[in-house]
This record gives sequence, structure tokens and C-alpha cells, in this order.
Amino acid sequence: NAGVMQNPRHLVRRRGQEARLRCSPMKGHSHVYWYRQLPEEGLKFMVYLQKENIIDESGMPKERFSAEFPKEGPSILRIQQVVRGDSAAYFCASSPPVGVGYNEQFFGPGTRLTVL
Amino acid sequence: GESVGLHLPTLSVQEGDNSIINCAYSNSASDYFIWYKQESGKGPQFIIDIRSNMDKRQGQRVTVLLNKTVKHLSLQIAATQPGDSAVYFCAEISSGSARQLTFGSGTQLTVLP
Repeated sequence: NAGVMQNPRHLVRRRGQEARLRCSPMKGHSHVYWYRQLPEEGLKFMVYLQKENIIDESGMPKERFSAEFPKEGPSILRIQQVVRGDSAAYFCASSPPVGVGYNEQFFGPGTRLTVL
Repeated sequence: GESVGLHLPTLSVQEGDNSIINCAYSNSASDYFIWYKQESGKGPQFIIDIRSNMDKRQGQRVTVLLNKTVKHLSLQIAATQPGDSAVYFCAEISSGSARQLTFGSGTQLTVLP
């Protein structure tokens, strides 16, 4: 049973380019979360999605960042016109359908974005 | 705003000793607290969680203690092993936050031979 998969693992972009980060949740999981981690800091929530729906994007910067989780295929975190401050590790987590209480979020290995 | 923070950024222990990692939180509405382990270059790995109506929970070699009076959480690792060397994060989740995890800043645990 494969875990959460993210690709690419490392991504280098020049300022002004676009970055696309992909996340495939665990089998049977329909909920995806994106987090950003700056060096030597904790993870910061960005966005929570279900299939074809954005549930909570309160942690997403208002500009240049967008996320989707289509009916088919992986979840995509897209960063347009990247700047050096976007350099970070981006982690995706998935969970099964939410019931009472909370469901454990399983994390992927992350994508390390470097903006030159 | 609400936050989850750690007392110490680094902790070094001798192999075989017990480790205690502490965490303070400020959100009284937290429903669950979770400890994650993150090894270099990897994503966070779930260790143990505790519901807010409990004060202690034990797992394999790990124990989490919750003191709601002083809003303090700790992770105890028994007989620390070299493989336990990692950054440890506490996180909280509340029903009002649409399932998002709020993480603390992390403690680097180093196990000395």
C-alpha cells in the first residue's frame, strides 16, 4: 500500500517562473492538505481540499498561489511568478473521509522548492 | 493568534536514557494533540496522539502527557535509541479549524552513543 507520493522531490525555478507541485494521496483517501515548511520551522497549513472542492484555503497567500484536486489525477499546488521567499519544503498530507473526531494525516516526503 | 510552541530547540541524550520533549500551546479549543517525528529530508511521521479529555496516553516506548491547566504537552521516549534522532513537532487540531494541523517549531533530538 503506497504512501502519499509527491513529485518532484526537488524543484529549482528562477524568479518569475511557475512551480507545479503534485501530490497523490494514499489509496482510499479523499482529503488532501498542503503545508509549507521554512528551514528550521514547523509546518504551516496552506490549504485543505477534497475531490473537486477547496474546503479551507485560509493559509494560502492571496496572490500567485492556487491549489486543485481534480476528480481524476493528483492534487496540484501551483505557484506563479515565484520569488525567493517561496523557497521552502512543501508537504502534502492525506486522510480518509472525515468522520467523528479527526483522522490521522499521512504525510508525503515533500517537494523542496529552490528559487534562484 | 493561536500558536503551539516548544520550550527547547535542541535536546541531547545518551543512548538508553529517557527523553522528554516539551510543548506549550495556547488554543484552549484544541481537540487533539499529536506528536510527529521528522527525519532529515523526510515528511513528518505520526508518533502518538492524545484527545483533549485525556491526560496520559502510552504507546510503544512513548508516552504523551497533557496538562490542560498549564496548557502543556510532553512526549516521553523510553530507552532512547540512535534511530530516535530527529526533529519532534507537537501539533494540535480543533474541530473549528476544518481539520488543519497547527504545528510548533520543533525540537531537535540528538542521541549520543
